[in-house]
Amino acid sequence: GEEVAQTPKHLVRGEGQKAKLYCAPIKGHSYVFWYQQVLKNEFKFLISFQNENVFDETGMPKERFSAKCLPNSPCSLEIQATKLEDSAVYFCASSRPAANVLTFGAGSRLTVL
Amino acid sequence: GQQLNQSPQSMFIQEGEDVSMNCTSSSIFNTWLWYKQDPGEGPVLLIALYKAGELTSNGRLTAQFGITRKDSFLNISASIPSDVGIYFCAGKSYNQGGKLIFGQGTELSVKP
Repeated sequence: GEEVAQTPKHLVRGEGQKAKLYCAPIKGHSYVFWYQQVLKNEFKFLISFQNENVFDETGMPKERFSAKCLPNSPCSLEIQATKLEDSAVYFCASSRPAANVLTFGAGSRLTVL
Repeated sequence: GQQLNQSPQSMFIQEGEDVSMNCTSSSIFNTWLWYKQDPGEGPVLLIALYKAGELTSNGRLTAQFGITRKDSFLNISASIPSDVGIYFCAGKSYNQGGKLIFGQGTELSVKP
C-alpha cells in the first residue's frame, strides 16, 4: 500500500499486562522505524530494521521491549509487563533504501492503567 | 547523544501573520526535515533539505538548511486557520544509521 498502516489505533492495558502493536510499511520500503511519543513531546527513537534484520536498537529498553519484522508479516513491537510510563503513542515509519525521508503511520495509542 | 533545540515552544498568532521557528543542533546534520503533526495523526513531511545553504519553498512555507549544518528555520507566510498544529524539525547525520533526531516541536495556534 501507499501508506504505513498501524494497528490497533488504541490499546488499553492494565499495568503488568502485555501489549503488542503492528505496522505494515509501504510496499517497497525496506527500512522500518519505531518511535515513542509521550503527550505531544518529541519523538523518541526505539529501533529500526533493514528488511527483517535489526539495524539500530540503541533506543530500546531491552528488558521489556522487543520488536520483529518477519518476511510476509507486519512488523511488531511488543511490551512485556507494561508500566504506567509506557503510556504513549507509538509511531511506525518506513523509508526506501538510501532515502532520507521517513513516512509515518497514524500511530497506536497505548494507555496503561 | 545528539540533541535538537527547537523554538519557540508555542505561538499564538492572528490569521494573516507570518510565522518563524527554528532548530539548532549540537552537531552537524546532512539532512534537515520539517514535519507537521495534526491531532491524532502521524507527522507529515512538509519540506526536506539536503545541502548546506539550501532554501526551499512549498507554497507558503519556506525552509533553509543553515550554512554551519547545525541549524534550520521554517517560515510560514500569511497564516491561515488550517496551519494550526505542531511543527517538528528533524535531522539526520551520516553516523546515525538513518534514524531521525526530532526537535521538541512548536505548537502553532492561529486566531481567525
